[in-house]
Amino acid sequence: SQELEQSPQSLIVQEGKNLTINCTSSKTLYGLYWYKQKYGEGLIFLMMLQKGGEEKSHEKITAKLDEKKQQSSLHITASQPSHAGIYLCGAERGGSQGNLIFGKGTKLSVKP
Amino acid sequence: DSGVTQTPKHLITATGQRVTLRCSPRSGDLSVYWYQQSLDQGLQFLIQYYNGEERAKGNILERFSAQQFPDLHSELNLSSLELGDSALYFCASSVALAGSQETQYFGPGTRLLVL
Repeated sequence: SQELEQSPQSLIVQEGKNLTINCTSSKTLYGLYWYKQKYGEGLIFLMMLQKGGEEKSHEKITAKLDEKKQQSSLHITASQPSHAGIYLCGAERGGSQGNLIFGKGTKLSVKP
Repeated sequence: DSGVTQTPKHLITATGQRVTLRCSPRSGDLSVYWYQQSLDQGLQFLIQYYNGEERAKGNILERFSAQQFPDLHSELNLSSLELGDSALYFCASSVALAGSQETQYFGPGTRLLVL
């Protein structure tokens, strides 16, 4: 079955620093989603990537999809305390089913 | 606010009991998904409904069932509860059938604690 592996598992950065979170799939990706979750709360949709090479940005967050590597990266520029939380990548399972599988998440802490 | 509502927010019950979790999708969304999030298993897909019909099943136990009503709200029924069922249960909705890469919007979740 398809699995998503996220790295690193946790990250502590100083405010103002850049950071990157990776999500690697064991199988071909049919759409890759990035969500942010505050502890114990709901998931907030960030971005969806559909095609290899696609890159999307929202405010200071940029996500890219490398189809050949079956990998996506999420990059945050000039991190702020408001960026703290758990970042989850999700992918559609198998292309024929719509339900999402998720990585275990990357916990980001930003020190002021 | 995603537009997806879930009730109750918190639920504390005893082993062996039965509970019902409720979800109202975003206006216009026909698909509803249920997910379970626990510390050891992470976020896992349980079941999906589209316009009242079951469309896909994931890691859903036989003790769990769900349905989607004509007004498109959905309920997840958990019975014969065990300690291991303690988790966050999320509902998500999207406009159409997934596979068309429609974004799923998540509700705030119901935190279930089984004592």
